[in-house]
Parts: sequence; structure tokens; C-alpha cells
Amino acid sequence: NAGVMQNPRHLVRRRGQEARLRCSPMKGHSHVYWYRQLPEEGLKFMVYLQKENIIDESGMPKERFSAEFPKEGPSILRIQQVVRGDSAAYFCASSPRPAQGPQETQYFGPGTRLLVL
Amino acid sequence: LAKTTQPISMDSYEGQEVNITCSHNNIATNDYITWYQQFPSQGPRFIIQGYKTKVTNEVASLFIPADRKSSTLSLPRVSLSDTAVYYCLVVNTGTASKLTFGTGTRLQVTL
Repeated sequence: NAGVMQNPRHLVRRRGQEARLRCSPMKGHSHVYWYRQLPEEGLKFMVYLQKENIIDESGMPKERFSAEFPKEGPSILRIQQVVRGDSAAYFCASSPRPAQGPQETQYFGPGTRLLVL
Repeated sequence: LAKTTQPISMDSYEGQEVNITCSHNNIATNDYITWYQQFPSQGPRFIIQGYKTKVTNEVASLFIPADRKSSTLSLPRVSLSDTAVYYCLVVNTGTASKLTFGTGTRLQVTL
């Protein structure tokens, strides 16, 4: 059973370009979570999605960032008009059920490292 | 949201037992303590979780005193491959979908 897949693993963009990060959850998982990790810091929650629905986007920046999890295909985190401060590692996690309780573990992918020049 | 405090870094020799303590003075009744491990260039991996007393699995043990204001992750006989960052999280029903990671404890294991 393959784990959470993320691609690309590394992404380089110039300021003003768009970045698209993809996440394929574990088989049978319909809940996806996106996190951002700045250098030397812990992961910070961005958004929680279920198929075709955004459940919690309280950690998403108000502008330029969006996320989706369509009925078919991977979840996409999209960053428009990237700036140098967007350089970070972006991790996706998935769970088979809503992670509403401590017993529900989130399984993390290997991350996408975004570098904005 | 209970804040956690843990040492920034620790060093150990291979074969030793490592204990990483985390303080969470404001832990609430419904909160659990959860530990994750993160290797360089990888995502975090769940290690162990507990509410009180002692929990043990094939990877580690977690000790939680009666007042639950702290917890200790114990790694028996560490190897070089245990070099990683270890995060202590306080989780409850309301926050389980949006985990909050601090800066963690960077464990360096050497020969």
C-alpha cells in the first residue's frame, strides 16, 4: 500500500510565477491536510480538505493561496504570484476518516520543497 | 491550545537510552500527548501517543506523570538511524485535524 505521494519533490519558481503542488493521499483516504514548514521551524497547518470540500482553511494566507481536492485526482495546493517568502517545504497528510480525535493519525508525505528565486 | 516546551537539541551515543522531556503545563482534560519523528527531507511520522501513565510500542515508550504537565519520550538503545527531530504535540478533538508542531528536539546519535 503506497504511502502519501507528493510531486514534484522539488520546485523552483521565479518571483511572480505560479506554483502547483500535488498530493495523492494513501489508498482509501479521503481526508487531506496541507502544512508548511519554514527552515528551522515546525510544521504549520494550512488547510484541511475532504473530497470536493474545504473543511478548514484557517491556516491559509488570505491571498494567492488556494487548495482543492477534486472528486478524481490529487489534491492541489496552488500558489499564485510567488514571492521569496513562499520558499518552504510543503507537506501533505491524509487520513481515512476525519482527524477529529487523537486516535486518528495523519500520515505525511515526503513534502515538496519550493524555492522562489 | 496547550503550549509545549522541549529541549532544542540532544546528543547521544549509539546503544544508549535517550529520554526527551516535554513540558505542557496548560494541558487540558481532553488533551492527549502525541510524538512525531521527522528525518531530514521527509515528512513527520507518528511515533506514540498517550493520555496518562505509560504507553509502550515497538519503537518507544511514553511516560506521563499523574499531573500530566510533562511527558517523556524514551528511545531504548538508539542507533545512528534514530538521528531526527522529535516533536511533542498536545492534541484534542478540536485540534486533531490541524496539528501544531513546535521546533522540536534535534537528536544527534553518533558512534
